[in-house]
Amino acid sequence: DAGVIQSPRHEVTEMGQEVTLRCKPISGHDYLFWYRQTMMRGLELLIYFNNNVPIDDSGMPEDRFSAKMPNASFSTLKIQPSEPRDSAVYFCASSLKGSGNTIYFGEGSWLTVV
Amino acid sequence: AQKVTQAQTEISVVEKEDVTLDCVYETRDTTYYLFWYKQPPSGELVFLIRRNSFDEQNEISGRYSWNFQKSTSSFNFTITASQVVDSAVYFCALSERLKSSNTGKLIFGQGTTLQVKP
Repeated sequence: DAGVIQSPRHEVTEMGQEVTLRCKPISGHDYLFWYRQTMMRGLELLIYFNNNVPIDDSGMPEDRFSAKMPNASFSTLKIQPSEPRDSAVYFCASSLKGSGNTIYFGEGSWLTVV
Repeated sequence: AQKVTQAQTEISVVEKEDVTLDCVYETRDTTYYLFWYKQPPSGELVFLIRRNSFDEQNEISGRYSWNFQKSTSSFNFTITASQVVDSAVYFCALSERLKSSNTGKLIFGQGTTLQVKP
């Protein structure tokens, strides 16, 4: 079975540019999570969706960050405009209600803003 | 507040040694889940195990074993006869109950970097 698929795997962009990260969750999963990993803050939850609806975006750092889930098989995380401090690994993850809360992660998108 | 503490930042062992990674958690929930994830040098997060707070039985999977002790709020992970391929960052995580759902948001520890030398 295909796992969580993220793209791009690596992105280097200049400060001020728009960045869009993409995610395809595991088929049939009804929860989708966006996490960010940095050396300073570790792994932190940015936002999560249930049945395509954003439930909690309290972890989104600021208005430059936005996330959408137009359908059950696709989500985007957008940063506009990007800043060097946004450099991090962004993980998408999904889970199925009733599966014991096991969350499965994608391989991550490594973002560098210069 | 929920919190996960992995006091060991880095551990270095020689191949074939046994190694235990410590994890201590705090939660007010009576029902929760604990997890271990592995992050190899390639960067992905690999799910290793999930433990329900009602099940304190230890679990063994090959060279891996987990010791859950509710009395001490610990969920330790032991690798027996370590191998170079075990070198990775290991994260312990606690599932916090989300609003009106049973799918928990994960609270991660800071991770323990394990280096297994040949």
